[in-house]
Amino acid sequence: NAGVTQTPKFQVLKTGQSMTLQCAQDMNHNSMYWYRQDPGMGLRLIYYSASEGTTDKGEVPNGYNVSRLNKREFSLRLESAAPSQTSVYFCASSAPRPGGGYTFGSGTRLTVV
Amino acid sequence: KQEVTQIPAALSVPEGENLVLNCSFTDSAIYNLQWFRQDPGKGLTSLLLIQSSQREQTSGRLNASLDKSSGRSTLYIAASQPGDSATYLCAVRAGGGNKLTFGTGTQLKVEL
Repeated sequence: NAGVTQTPKFQVLKTGQSMTLQCAQDMNHNSMYWYRQDPGMGLRLIYYSASEGTTDKGEVPNGYNVSRLNKREFSLRLESAAPSQTSVYFCASSAPRPGGGYTFGSGTRLTVV
Repeated sequence: KQEVTQIPAALSVPEGENLVLNCSFTDSAIYNLQWFRQDPGKGLTSLLLIQSSQREQTSGRLNASLDKSSGRSTLYIAASQPGDSATYLCAVRAGGGNKLTFGTGTQLKVEL
């Protein structure tokens, strides 16, 4: 099925460990995004990439890095995980503005102990 | 800074009832507004997308309206069913970077 694919679905990390969350879309969208979702705080934008080769900070970028590997793939890296990064992470892509909607992946549930 | 508010935060209704979920946003300079559904432990499923030039969109038992000038949108669900139980999120797309700003959602429970 066409859409946004995220891996892994679940991950447990120890404080200080690093990991990369992978995201790929097959809809030929230019723009891709990483959000985190926490209880009572809704979805907050971490980083986004308006087009291949560009990335920009969102609302909560501290502790994260991203790479737009090509048009399809956008990865999120935690260099030194902290318990505050325990969250559900969603990747999304969007059709061109102004009218395009967003499509979300199924999420990665990350726990940092 | 765009802020999106959803009221109520939670709603419980008996099966068969028609219901309205509300969404308000502070900056009316939006490109579009999108309603999503999220089931527990799952991702976001897009329900309806309304462009800034449109007043409403319909899909099956769902109807979403948009009043950009007043910064409001409503999601109307007709003849609710237990399978409609989920969290409903609205989000507006505006500004540089194509960014989407979310409300915190309305948790809906439809009881038998």
